[in-house]
Amino acid sequence: NAGVTQTPKFQVLKTGQSMTLQCAQDMNHNSMYWYRQDPGMGLRLIYYSASEGTTDKGEVPNGYNVSRLNKREFSLRLESAAPSQTSVYFCASSGSSGLGSPEQYFGPGTRLTVT
Amino acid sequence: RKEVEQDPGPFNVPEGATVAFNCTYSNSASQSFFWYRQDCRKEPKLLMSVYSSGNEDGRFTAQLNRASQYISLLIRDSKLSDSATYLCVVNMDGGFKTIFGAGTRLFVKA
Repeated sequence: NAGVTQTPKFQVLKTGQSMTLQCAQDMNHNSMYWYRQDPGMGLRLIYYSASEGTTDKGEVPNGYNVSRLNKREFSLRLESAAPSQTSVYFCASSGSSGLGSPEQYFGPGTRLTVT
Repeated sequence: RKEVEQDPGPFNVPEGATVAFNCTYSNSASQSFFWYRQDCRKEPKLLMSVYSSGNEDGRFTAQLNRASQYISLLIRDSKLSDSATYLCVVNMDGGFKTIFGAGTRLFVKA
């Protein structure tokens, strides 16, 4: 099992460019999450998907969109990148039952720099 | 006030030392509690859950005090490999509202 995978690992964008971060999990988890992590701050939830077909905003959703493509895949899109979106992005998944489990499994992260 | 607060450290300790981290949370309705470990430039990984009765996993002991709304992690006989950032994590509603503390950095020196 690969667990949670993310692509790309690194990305540099210019202000105004768009991109999609990809995430996939092979643990048959129902719930998936996107976080960002900035120095001196905890991980902050951007969006989550409780189950296939649903998505909800987290703490910091502005400037982002998500798609739960199927049970395995959850993508994060930046439509018009801004320097404030420079961060490390982590995808996570949890729960093989119907409800979200608080034990989350993380991907290796995407380091994004917006210039 | 942050929902989950931790002393950022760093804690610098020699090998073999005992070190303790504390974490406070603000929402009394919090349901589940965890410690995660994050190595430099890596993803967070679950270290252990924290139960009201306290729980131990080898050299690691976690305690929860609901009345005072704090969680602790004790590491005994520190190893060089324990050097990492330890994240206090509080879950509100069984899955979707999970708050991560900013982490406490630990350096274990030979």
